[in-house]
Amino acid sequence: EAQVTQNPRYLITVTGKKLTVTCSQNMNHEYMSWYRQDPGLGLRQIYYSMNVEVTDKGDVPEGYKVSRKEKRNFPLILESPSPNQTSLYFCASRMGQGVPEAFFGQGTRLTVV
Amino acid sequence: GQQLNQSPQSMFIQEGEDVSMNCTSSSIFNTWLWYKQDPGEGPVLLIALYKAGELTSNGRLTAQFGITRKDSFLNISASIPSDVGIYFCAGLSNTGNQFYFGTGTSLTVIP
Repeated sequence: EAQVTQNPRYLITVTGKKLTVTCSQNMNHEYMSWYRQDPGLGLRQIYYSMNVEVTDKGDVPEGYKVSRKEKRNFPLILESPSPNQTSLYFCASRMGQGVPEAFFGQGTRLTVV
Repeated sequence: GQQLNQSPQSMFIQEGEDVSMNCTSSSIFNTWLWYKQDPGEGPVLLIALYKAGELTSNGRLTAQFGITRKDSFLNISASIPSDVGIYFCAGLSNTGNQFYFGTGTSLTVIP
């Protein structure tokens, strides 16, 4: 089954404790992205990747890091989480540039206390 | 970043009613998309629009790409309970690298 898998689904952590949210896709897609969803703000892009070792900042990259060492994986790293990073996070993948259909994971709800 | 505003922010309607929502942008897009997010899930693509003035249907859903390329509209006819969710518009950047999502319209259908 074609899918984007995120882990964990739920995470509560403390300020400053490094964490990683994993994302994996099995569709051989070139493009992968991370978004955060906050009430009243919709989905905002954090980082995106056009292929292995090619990443770029989205609209809200501060406080986040990503890496794309393999085509299928695109982890999101919070080196020192803060309470304002409490949010619902989505990973998405799509076939390539200009291809509009993005497949989203089920989301990771992160709470930073 | 680009700002896409959706209205209304939320809607409460009776089953069987038609629904209209719209999305406006401060910038021009060459591709508009509409996604639906079911409770507890990630968004799923409903309709993609590629040409100004284009009208596209997907079952009971009809979407239009505005002539100015700065807006788009989504209509749902004869709503049913499974239409509940959040509807997002999105514009694809001219480079094809980034999506810009709207603020969302939350739809509740009362049986």
